[in-house]
Amino acid sequence: AQTVTQSQPEMSVQEAETVTLSCTYDTSESDYYLFWYKQPPSRQMILVIRQEAYKQQNATENRFSVNFQKAAKSFSLKISDSQLGDAAMYFCAYRNQGGSEKLVFGKGTKLTVNP
Amino acid sequence: NAGVTQTPKFQVLKTGQSMTLQCAQDMNHEYMSWYRQDPGMGLRLIHYSVGAGITDQGEVPNGYNVSRSTTEDFPLRLLSAAPSQTSVYFCASRVPSSYEQYFGPGTRLTVT
Repeated sequence: AQTVTQSQPEMSVQEAETVTLSCTYDTSESDYYLFWYKQPPSRQMILVIRQEAYKQQNATENRFSVNFQKAAKSFSLKISDSQLGDAAMYFCAYRNQGGSEKLVFGKGTKLTVNP
Repeated sequence: NAGVTQTPKFQVLKTGQSMTLQCAQDMNHEYMSWYRQDPGMGLRLIHYSVGAGITDQGEVPNGYNVSRSTTEDFPLRLLSAAPSQTSVYFCASRVPSSYEQYFGPGTRLTVT
């Protein structure tokens, strides 16, 4: 079974600085997707960024980028120029490309942004 | 589009009561799923559906029942509520060709 591990229960960053959230996963599959979701206090789950395992190029969405290391099974999220609105729980998630609909989530990292 | 909607937003049940959490989407998505989120945990899949009339179990299906009679609706039934089912429940949907799941706002359920 696939597992996702987020080793940092909490992180903090100063406004305008950069922070990196860690995620590792375990799978025997070769084709899969990886995601970062943001959950603000409103509880809404918001997709931040995704990465297809077959793509070597790291995904980027504005201030958010990932460092995808397939061999190491590592998928970290970098947030540049942090803003107060980035404060939230961040969840790393995995899904096989085919077959099961199941999204496997990590336990989350609570990000605090200090003014 | 309203996206994915869930009702109610909050619910308190007594042990042994039954209820249905409602989920609807207006995006014509074939795939729909139910997740639960417990404190200190990520979301865990309860049941999912890949189309009307087709459902399957996820990671934590015990104590829950689903059916899918239309593309739009995917209700989750708690047959006999237990305190262990106290959680926040999320419904999600997507089209098969897309990686992105759209989540509803969640229902916070407390079972006393």
